Amino acid sequence: DGGITQSPKYLFRKEGQNVTLSCEQNLNHDAMYWYRQDPGQGLRLIYYSQIVNDFQKGDIAEGYSVSREKKESFPLTVTSAQKNPTAFYLCASSIARDPSYEQYFGPGTRLTVT
Amino acid sequence: AQKITQTQPGMFVQEKEAVTLDCTYDTSDQSYGLFWYKQPSSGEMIFLIYQGSYDEQNATEGRYSLNFQKARKSANLVISASQLGDSAMYFCAPWGSARQLTFGSGTQLTVLP
Repeated sequence: DGGITQSPKYLFRKEGQNVTLSCEQNLNHDAMYWYRQDPGQGLRLIYYSQIVNDFQKGDIAEGYSVSREKKESFPLTVTSAQKNPTAFYLCASSIARDPSYEQYFGPGTRLTVT
Repeated sequence: AQKITQTQPGMFVQEKEAVTLDCTYDTSDQSYGLFWYKQPSSGEMIFLIYQGSYDEQNATEGRYSLNFQKARKSANLVISASQLGDSAMYFCAPWGSARQLTFGSGTQLTVLP
């Protein structure tokens, strides 16, 4: 079955540590996205990538970094510079960067930093 | 950034009844589109329906339909014949000249048996 996998589902870290969230897709999509969701709110865009070796900042990129070395993979690193890292993180992909294309979402990773 | 308003933080509907979830957006763009996504308690986002600003007919997908009124800048989601499995958060997400989705704060729908 084609889809997006994110692992792990729950992640716990101590303050001051960097942590990397995994996102893999086998849909052969060119575009991939990372969103953050805080309780009671909608999603906010962190980073997106239109193609391998290319990525752009979204609305809340500070304290985050990404890489896109393979078409299937778009890992997100939450650095110690991110002031409020505890949140639900969702990865998505679409056929292309065109916003009219549906985005397919993974199951999400819930990150707790204490 | 676009301002998205979903005025109903929580809604209740009886099973098998229809329900309308409101969404208004603030844009001066001529070309734009709008998605509705469903988020069950498990957390994943599920695509429901999409309509572009140049589409003349209101979109329908099974039990979901859009009441798209461009002059009022509203795109309300209508769910017909509600089912217990429809209980979830519902988000509208338009895009415009920034070419990225902006999500509203959502409406929590509860379907009562």
